[in-house]
Amino acid sequence: GAVVSQHPSWVICKSGTSVKIECRSLDFQATTMFWYRQFPKQSLMLMATSNEGSKATYEQGVEKDKFLINHASLTLSTLTVTSAHPEDSSFYICSASAGDTEAFFGQGTRLTVV
Amino acid sequence: GNSVTQMEGPVTLSEEAFLTINCTYTATGYPSLFWYVQYPGEGLQLLLKATKADDKGSNKGFEATYRKETTSFHLEKGSVQVSDSAVYFCALSDRGDSWGKLQFGAGTQVVVTP
Repeated sequence: GAVVSQHPSWVICKSGTSVKIECRSLDFQATTMFWYRQFPKQSLMLMATSNEGSKATYEQGVEKDKFLINHASLTLSTLTVTSAHPEDSSFYICSASAGDTEAFFGQGTRLTVV
Repeated sequence: GNSVTQMEGPVTLSEEAFLTINCTYTATGYPSLFWYVQYPGEGLQLLLKATKADDKGSNKGFEATYRKETTSFHLEKGSVQVSDSAVYFCALSDRGDSWGKLQFGAGTQVVVTP
């Protein structure tokens, strides 16, 4: 299957700082990328859908000003957690799709805010 | 709204045992249904899918049948191996949505012992 690389795999940051997570499709052009969040022992929750070159569509209850998503190219999307707080600590996972097909997942990023 | 419910884990069983993981869903329309698997340290991978009622998805010895009358998509494997130890996620996407836009169950950890 296609490869999606997510970086970093884990990050620790201080409260009040911002953190950027990258999601890259390595061997295909991803017209759509998805960002999920997973709490311990819970399912993945879709945060937003981003299409290359346009603004992301956020799910209800997700703060767009806190979770900034950029999808500037067909191989890269970034999620920036702004002014992070301990409650933002979570596992963030991206997936990428080339049109109306199966999406391929990155390995996830463990964010810990101290 | 849509939701996916799957049995809680962990499920522990011996090699060559029969595995069933129950999954039921609620949806307003006719969703596509998926099983994803996450091996330790890796991203989610699509295991199998079914896009309409009575479809059977199968892969690597795993099977699941889309049962509209019981709104279920139970995962089965007749003889598990140690290498099947992983977390399994049931998921759906609304008809008309990209297959990448997924609603997940909580995941079921499966541990297979020699």
